[in-house]
Amino acid sequence: AQTVTQSQPEMSVQEAETVTLSCTYDTSESDYYLFWYKQPPSRQMILVIRQEAYKQQNATENRFSVNFQKAAKSFSLKISDSQLGDAAMYFCAYRSASRNFGNEKLTFGTGTRLTIIP
Amino acid sequence: EAGVTQFPSHSVIEKGQTVTLRCDPISGHDNLYWYRRVMGKEIKFLLHFVKESKQDESGMPNNRFLAERTGGTYSTLKVQPAELEDSGVYFCASSRLTLAGGPPSSYNEQFFGPGTRLTVL
Repeated sequence: AQTVTQSQPEMSVQEAETVTLSCTYDTSESDYYLFWYKQPPSRQMILVIRQEAYKQQNATENRFSVNFQKAAKSFSLKISDSQLGDAAMYFCAYRSASRNFGNEKLTFGTGTRLTIIP
Repeated sequence: EAGVTQFPSHSVIEKGQTVTLRCDPISGHDNLYWYRRVMGKEIKFLLHFVKESKQDESGMPNNRFLAERTGGTYSTLKVQPAELEDSGVYFCASSRLTLAGGPPSSYNEQFFGPGTRLTVL
Protein backbone atom coordinates (compact mmCIF):
# COMPACT_ATOMS: atom_id res chain seq x y z
CA ALA A 1 0.00 0.00 0.00
CA GLN A 2 1.10 3.52 -0.70
CA THR A 3 1.79 6.01 2.06
CA VAL A 4 2.33 9.76 2.06
CA THR A 5 4.17 11.55 4.84
CA GLN A 6 4.17 15.25 5.62
CA SER A 7 6.52 15.87 8.52
CA GLN A 8 5.74 19.55 9.02
CA PRO A 9 2.40 20.02 10.80
CA GLU A 10 2.82 23.81 10.72
CA MET A 11 4.94 26.28 8.80
CA SER A 12 5.04 30.03 8.67
CA VAL A 13 6.60 32.47 6.26
CA GLN A 14 6.93 36.20 5.95
CA GLU A 15 4.85 37.75 3.21
CA ALA A 16 6.80 37.97 -0.09
CA GLU A 17 9.30 35.35 1.06
CA THR A 18 9.71 31.78 -0.18
CA VAL A 19 8.67 28.67 1.70
CA THR A 20 9.09 24.97 0.97
CA LEU A 21 6.70 22.29 2.19
CA SER A 22 8.00 18.74 2.40
CA CYS A 23 6.39 15.50 1.34
CA THR A 24 7.72 11.99 1.04
CA TYR A 25 5.89 8.93 -0.18
CA ASP A 26 6.33 5.22 -0.47
CA THR A 27 5.20 3.08 -3.36
CA SER A 28 6.27 0.08 -5.38
CA GLU A 29 4.66 1.44 -8.54
CA SER A 30 6.61 3.14 -11.30
CA ASP A 31 3.74 5.13 -12.81
CA TYR A 32 1.79 7.48 -10.59
CA TYR A 33 0.71 11.06 -10.04
CA LEU A 34 1.57 13.36 -7.18
CA PHE A 35 -0.43 16.39 -6.14
CA TRP A 36 -0.49 19.33 -3.82
CA TYR A 37 -3.93 20.41 -2.69
CA LYS A 38 -4.72 23.61 -0.81
CA GLN A 39 -7.61 24.05 1.61
CA PRO A 40 -8.11 27.65 2.73
CA PRO A 41 -9.98 28.17 6.02
CA SER A 42 -13.65 27.21 5.65
CA ARG A 43 -13.30 26.74 1.93
CA GLN A 44 -13.09 23.91 -0.54
CA MET A 45 -9.94 22.02 -1.26
CA ILE A 46 -8.45 22.90 -4.63
CA LEU A 47 -5.66 21.43 -6.71
CA VAL A 48 -2.51 23.52 -6.70
CA ILE A 49 -0.15 21.48 -8.83
CA ARG A 50 0.24 18.03 -10.33
CA GLN A 51 3.29 15.97 -11.28
CA GLU A 52 3.33 12.87 -13.45
CA ALA A 53 6.00 10.42 -12.29
CA TYR A 54 7.11 9.63 -15.84
CA LYS A 55 8.02 13.27 -16.44
CA GLN A 56 11.47 14.33 -15.35
CA GLN A 57 10.70 18.03 -15.55
CA ASN A 58 9.38 19.56 -12.36
CA ALA A 59 5.89 21.01 -12.61
CA THR A 60 5.39 24.76 -12.23
CA GLU A 61 2.23 26.82 -11.84
CA ASN A 62 2.96 30.53 -11.51
CA ARG A 63 4.43 31.03 -8.01
CA PHE A 64 4.12 27.33 -7.16
CA SER A 65 6.72 24.79 -8.18
CA VAL A 66 7.71 21.32 -7.08
CA ASN A 67 10.98 19.51 -6.54
CA PHE A 68 10.26 15.94 -7.58
CA GLN A 69 12.97 13.44 -6.67
CA LYS A 70 11.70 10.08 -7.86
CA ALA A 71 14.57 7.98 -6.55
CA ALA A 72 14.31 9.58 -3.13
CA LYS A 73 10.48 9.50 -3.26
CA SER A 74 10.35 13.12 -2.33
CA PHE A 75 7.92 15.75 -3.61
CA SER A 76 8.29 19.20 -2.06
CA LEU A 77 6.27 22.30 -2.86
CA LYS A 78 7.92 25.69 -3.15
CA ILE A 79 5.82 28.82 -2.87
CA SER A 80 7.58 31.94 -4.06
CA ASP A 81 6.61 35.51 -3.20
CA SER A 82 4.18 34.29 -0.53
CA GLN A 83 0.90 36.16 -0.33
CA LEU A 84 -1.70 36.41 2.41
CA GLY A 85 -4.07 34.36 0.28
CA ASP A 86 -1.66 31.43 0.39
CA ALA A 87 -2.55 30.82 4.03
CA ALA A 88 -4.17 27.39 4.07
CA MET A 89 -3.80 23.73 4.88
CA TYR A 90 -1.69 22.03 2.23
CA PHE A 91 -2.07 18.34 1.51
CA CYS A 92 0.28 16.19 -0.49
CA ALA A 93 -1.43 13.32 -2.31
CA TYR A 94 -0.60 10.27 -4.42
CA ARG A 95 -2.58 8.48 -7.07
CA SER A 96 -1.73 5.39 -9.06
CA ALA A 97 -1.53 5.80 -12.82
CA SER A 98 -2.67 2.23 -13.33
CA ARG A 99 -5.03 2.05 -16.28
CA ASN A 100 -7.43 -0.21 -14.47
CA PHE A 101 -10.59 0.95 -12.84
CA GLY A 102 -10.43 1.04 -9.08
CA ASN A 103 -7.05 2.74 -8.82
CA GLU A 104 -8.19 6.31 -8.86
CA LYS A 105 -8.36 6.96 -5.15
CA LEU A 106 -6.09 9.58 -3.66
CA THR A 107 -3.79 8.80 -0.75
CA PHE A 108 -3.14 11.90 1.35
CA GLY A 109 -0.63 13.04 3.91
CA THR A 110 -1.63 14.62 7.21
CA GLY A 111 -1.28 18.15 5.91
CA THR A 112 0.82 21.22 6.68
CA ARG A 113 -0.83 24.36 7.98
CA LEU A 114 0.83 27.37 6.37
CA THR A 115 0.63 30.78 8.04
CA ILE A 116 1.63 33.93 6.21
CA ILE A 117 3.06 36.68 8.41
CA PRO A 118 2.25 40.19 7.13
CA GLU B 1 -20.60 25.32 -13.71
CA ALA B 2 -21.64 24.57 -10.16
CA GLY B 3 -19.09 22.83 -7.99
CA VAL B 4 -19.47 19.80 -5.76
CA THR B 5 -21.92 20.52 -2.99
CA GLN B 6 -22.41 18.75 0.31
CA PHE B 7 -25.16 18.87 2.87
CA PRO B 8 -25.24 19.53 5.74
CA SER B 9 -22.14 21.61 6.36
CA HIS B 10 -22.19 20.64 10.03
CA SER B 11 -23.93 17.92 11.98
CA VAL B 12 -23.85 17.28 15.70
CA ILE B 13 -25.44 14.06 16.88
CA GLU B 14 -25.32 11.79 19.89
CA LYS B 15 -23.71 8.42 19.94
CA GLY B 16 -26.13 5.80 18.67
CA GLN B 17 -28.05 8.14 16.40
CA THR B 18 -28.17 8.00 12.63
CA VAL B 19 -26.86 10.65 10.26
CA THR B 20 -27.09 10.89 6.49
CA LEU B 21 -24.69 13.01 4.51
CA ARG B 22 -25.40 14.06 0.96
CA CYS B 23 -23.11 14.89 -1.94
CA ASP B 24 -24.09 16.40 -5.27
CA PRO B 25 -21.28 16.00 -7.80
CA ILE B 26 -20.54 18.27 -10.72
CA SER B 27 -22.99 17.59 -13.53
CA GLY B 28 -21.60 15.03 -15.96
CA HIS B 29 -19.09 13.58 -13.53
CA ASP B 30 -19.53 9.83 -13.38
CA ASN B 31 -16.87 9.31 -10.71
CA LEU B 32 -17.81 10.13 -7.15
CA TYR B 33 -15.56 9.62 -4.14
CA TRP B 34 -16.02 9.85 -0.40
CA TYR B 35 -13.11 10.68 1.90
CA ARG B 36 -12.86 11.36 5.62
CA ARG B 37 -10.45 13.32 7.75
CA VAL B 38 -10.36 12.57 11.44
CA MET B 39 -8.95 15.46 13.52
CA GLY B 40 -5.24 15.92 12.95
CA LYS B 41 -4.88 12.89 10.73
CA GLU B 42 -4.67 12.29 7.03
CA ILE B 43 -7.61 12.40 4.66
CA LYS B 44 -8.59 8.80 4.07
CA PHE B 45 -10.40 7.30 1.12
CA LEU B 46 -13.72 5.63 1.88
CA LEU B 47 -15.20 4.57 -1.43
CA HIS B 48 -15.55 5.26 -5.13
CA PHE B 49 -18.64 5.15 -7.31
CA VAL B 50 -18.63 4.93 -11.07
CA LYS B 51 -22.11 6.06 -11.94
CA GLU B 52 -24.35 4.06 -9.62
CA SER B 53 -21.90 1.18 -9.07
CA LYS B 54 -19.46 0.86 -6.19
CA GLN B 55 -16.07 0.54 -7.89
CA ASP B 56 -13.96 0.43 -4.74
CA GLU B 57 -15.23 0.39 -1.18
CA SER B 58 -12.01 -0.80 0.42
CA GLY B 59 -11.84 2.22 2.71
CA MET B 60 -15.22 1.82 4.37
CA PRO B 61 -14.43 1.32 8.06
CA ASN B 62 -17.25 -1.06 8.98
CA ASN B 63 -20.82 -2.03 8.24
CA ARG B 64 -22.20 0.95 10.12
CA PHE B 65 -21.45 2.97 7.01
CA LEU B 66 -23.71 2.68 3.99
CA ALA B 67 -23.18 4.63 0.79
CA GLU B 68 -25.61 4.83 -2.09
CA ARG B 69 -25.77 6.56 -5.41
CA THR B 70 -29.14 5.81 -6.87
CA GLY B 71 -29.47 6.81 -10.51
CA GLY B 72 -25.84 7.74 -10.68
CA THR B 73 -26.38 11.33 -9.62
CA TYR B 74 -26.13 12.43 -6.00
CA SER B 75 -24.80 10.17 -3.29
CA THR B 76 -25.64 9.64 0.36
CA LEU B 77 -23.47 8.30 3.14
CA LYS B 78 -25.36 7.02 6.14
CA VAL B 79 -23.78 6.24 9.48
CA GLN B 80 -25.94 4.04 11.69
CA PRO B 81 -25.44 3.89 14.61
CA ALA B 82 -22.87 6.64 14.97
CA GLU B 83 -19.92 6.17 17.32
CA LEU B 84 -17.56 8.73 18.84
CA GLU B 85 -14.73 7.75 16.49
CA ASP B 86 -16.87 8.64 13.47
CA SER B 87 -16.36 12.33 14.18
CA GLY B 88 -14.47 14.14 11.48
CA VAL B 89 -14.86 15.95 8.20
CA TYR B 90 -16.38 13.97 5.35
CA PHE B 91 -15.37 15.11 1.89
CA CYS B 92 -16.93 14.25 -1.39
CA ALA B 93 -15.16 14.60 -4.74
CA SER B 94 -16.16 14.02 -8.33
CA SER B 95 -14.38 13.67 -11.64
CA ARG B 96 -15.02 12.78 -15.24
CA LEU B 97 -14.65 9.19 -16.27
CA THR B 98 -11.14 8.07 -17.23
CA LEU B 99 -11.19 5.41 -19.90
CA ALA B 100 -9.27 2.25 -19.00
CA GLY B 101 -6.37 1.72 -21.36
CA GLY B 102 -5.84 5.39 -21.95
CA PRO B 103 -2.41 7.01 -22.02
CA PRO B 104 -0.64 7.79 -18.74
CA SER B 105 -1.51 11.42 -19.20
CA SER B 106 -5.22 10.70 -19.18
CA TYR B 107 -5.94 12.04 -15.77
CA ASN B 108 -9.16 13.69 -14.70
CA GLU B 109 -8.94 16.03 -11.76
CA GLN B 110 -10.99 15.28 -8.68
CA PHE B 111 -12.98 18.31 -7.58
CA PHE B 112 -13.78 18.45 -3.90
CA GLY B 113 -16.80 19.66 -2.01
CA PRO B 114 -16.54 21.81 1.12
CA GLY B 115 -17.02 18.84 3.41
CA THR B 116 -19.45 17.96 6.18
CA ARG B 117 -18.14 18.31 9.71
CA LEU B 118 -19.64 15.52 11.79
CA THR B 119 -19.43 15.62 15.56
CA VAL B 120 -20.61 12.62 17.55
CA LEU B 121 -21.11 13.34 21.26
